[in-house]
Amino acid sequence: DIQMTQSPSTLSASVGDRVTITCRASQSISSWLAWYQQKPGKAPKLLIYKASSLESGVPSRFSGSGSGTEFTLTISSLQPDDFATYYCQQYFSYSETFGQGTKVEIK
Amino acid sequence: EVQLVESGGGLVQPGGSLRLSCAASGFIFSNYAMSWVRQAPGKGLEWVSVISGSGSSTYYADSVKGRFTISRDNFKNTLYLQMNSLRAEDTAVYYCAKGWFGNLLIYFDYWGQGTLVTVSS
Repeated sequence: DIQMTQSPSTLSASVGDRVTITCRASQSISSWLAWYQQKPGKAPKLLIYKASSLESGVPSRFSGSGSGTEFTLTISSLQPDDFATYYCQQYFSYSETFGQGTKVEIK
Repeated sequence: EVQLVESGGGLVQPGGSLRLSCAASGFIFSNYAMSWVRQAPGKGLEWVSVISGSGSSTYYADSVKGRFTISRDNFKNTLYLQMNSLRAEDTAVYYCAKGWFGNLLIYFDYWGQGTLVTVSS
């Protein structure tokens, strides 16, 4: 199975900060990567698909980049609503594996 | 509006069985692959299983292979997860998730609210 590793596990930031989360795959997954946001007690919400395509309705401060084995999710200016846990997910192979998550906390 | 509503969770003893359901509406159910994704308390997301739009193809995580069975009824617009030989480590919130397409290599554009399964004596 393809392993997905996110870093950091926890990130402390302030409103207005630029935030970057990294996701690495154990083998090349081309651009078959999605990013999700999850808030406590809620279902995940799709943000980005195919590494860099913004899901409809998601604010443009969210962006994704990368291909192959290394990917990033960037929030250009962190807003109060963005404090949450973020997960990457590969869909290159049939075991659609998730990263372990990155919690974005208030600094 | 796409809606996914899970049901069937609850408390079950180790070795027991449970069947989860996910009622779907707001889209042509048979056109899309569907998955179950679970989240143990305080932990991350774990993909469990996927089924094609027609129901003819399925895949499972190694952790549940041979114990769980995913199925769908495209006339009732309902997804199922039959869980047998349950273990304490199966305790989690189980989410039903809609694939973006009909094949099995999918990301998930809509999620249900989740149903809690607790395996304990």
